[in-house]
Amino acid sequence: GAGVSQSPSNKVTEKGKDVELRCDPISGHTALYWYRQRLGQGLEFLIYFQGNSAPDKSGLPSDRFSAERTGESVSTLTIQRTQQEDSAVYLCASSLAVVGGLVNNEQFFGPGTRLTVL
Amino acid sequence: KQEVTQIPAALSVPEGENLVLNCSFTDSAIYNLQWFRQDPGKGLTSLLLIQSSQREQTSGRLNASLDKSSGRSTLYIAASQPGDSATYLCALSGGQNFVFGPGTRLSVLP
Repeated sequence: GAGVSQSPSNKVTEKGKDVELRCDPISGHTALYWYRQRLGQGLEFLIYFQGNSAPDKSGLPSDRFSAERTGESVSTLTIQRTQQEDSAVYLCASSLAVVGGLVNNEQFFGPGTRLTVL
Repeated sequence: KQEVTQIPAALSVPEGENLVLNCSFTDSAIYNLQWFRQDPGKGLTSLLLIQSSQREQTSGRLNASLDKSSGRSTLYIAASQPGDSATYLCALSGGQNFVFGPGTRLSVLP
């Protein structure tokens, strides 16, 4: 597709259940980012992928959060044993990353997944 | 650690006014700065990207400037329209990751 897509658009789950969120980046974009945005708050960085590796996992809030990326394409963010404080919009972005020695990492965002933990 | 602030937090102006949104940052060692708009309940739309070697970028009625020495960027919106109503976010990259400001919520009244 032409842009970043995310699925599902909405997810309602019960406390303690696991959820998996999916991000399809723009074709050819090697960098992929996950962010969280709680209601009325700013964007909180979670994790970044360069290709299939994640050089920066510093933003993951706890060990219940994990993410993977395969084939330098689709990424999944998994939240285990969800808690009510996990309720937020989870946003994914992709960028070209390094191009010709210059950092060309203009980010393009998907529409987000709204997660509600009851 | 990079810290980003945006002033004002909210702004309401009548249609047709020119306006300036401000973004301040503490660490001038950045690669680039990007301005976004976010509409309620939606994702972010990229507006302008300024590389660290550039001073400004223009797109239509938008002009963004970057002054690394003072740790500031401004987004100038000319002849504002009700459709410009949104939250405007600046984000800085010191490498591959971005640090976002809290945003300025803009309302343009018809």
